Amino acid sequence: GESVGLHLPTLSVQEGDNSIINCAYSNSASDYFIWYKQESGKGPQFIIDIRSNMDKRQGQRVTVLLNKTVKHLSLQIAATQPGDSAVYFCAENGAGNTPLVFGKGTRLSVIA
Amino acid sequence: DTGVSQDPRHKITKRGQNVTFRCDPISEHNRLYWYRQTLGQGPEFLTYFQNEAQLEKSRLLSDRFSAERPKGSFSTLEIQRTEQGDSAMYLCASGRDNTGELFFGEGSRLTVL
Repeated sequence: GESVGLHLPTLSVQEGDNSIINCAYSNSASDYFIWYKQESGKGPQFIIDIRSNMDKRQGQRVTVLLNKTVKHLSLQIAATQPGDSAVYFCAENGAGNTPLVFGKGTRLSVIA
Repeated sequence: DTGVSQDPRHKITKRGQNVTFRCDPISEHNRLYWYRQTLGQGPEFLTYFQNEAQLEKSRLLSDRFSAERPKGSFSTLEIQRTEQGDSAMYLCASGRDNTGELFFGEGSRLTVL
């Protein structure tokens, strides 16, 4: 299920299920998008990226989907594991090498 | 470990004191970024360098904040006359030209009492 916490949206999933984390981005000129994972007390860690000339990209257990029409990005995690529990951020890079702008984040909790 | 080092990892200071954070980026990266992150929020861009040139500093939160990268390698972020509202995690990231991916350090957590 999905619930809205005080600070972050939270997604709770059973271990082994697939997770889908969504993100709405703001700048229609953005041409590069990244998903980062952040564990408590650590810096953001790169998961996967996608450029605006693609609508899907797959990595190991992760897939990113990009819908430019509605400015929506999603991260799919297959067979979610307890180690996937973290806060996930999407980030966009406006056209050109402008600094990454981060979204608010979603907390993923994996129930063993 | 991404290869980006930040020091110190934790800093507790009294209001009004100055603090300085250091970042050592991945050696072959020419771009270096500073972000600030408060609890429950995503990282907020502050400033960045391409080699030793500071290309954007208008997002620094006030004139109490300054950053340097004198030789195009390590960088420092200084906060003068700290206030309680400066309490946050200060993140450094580095990257290459023509790629968007940023590699983040573990951050320097500042607590202002």
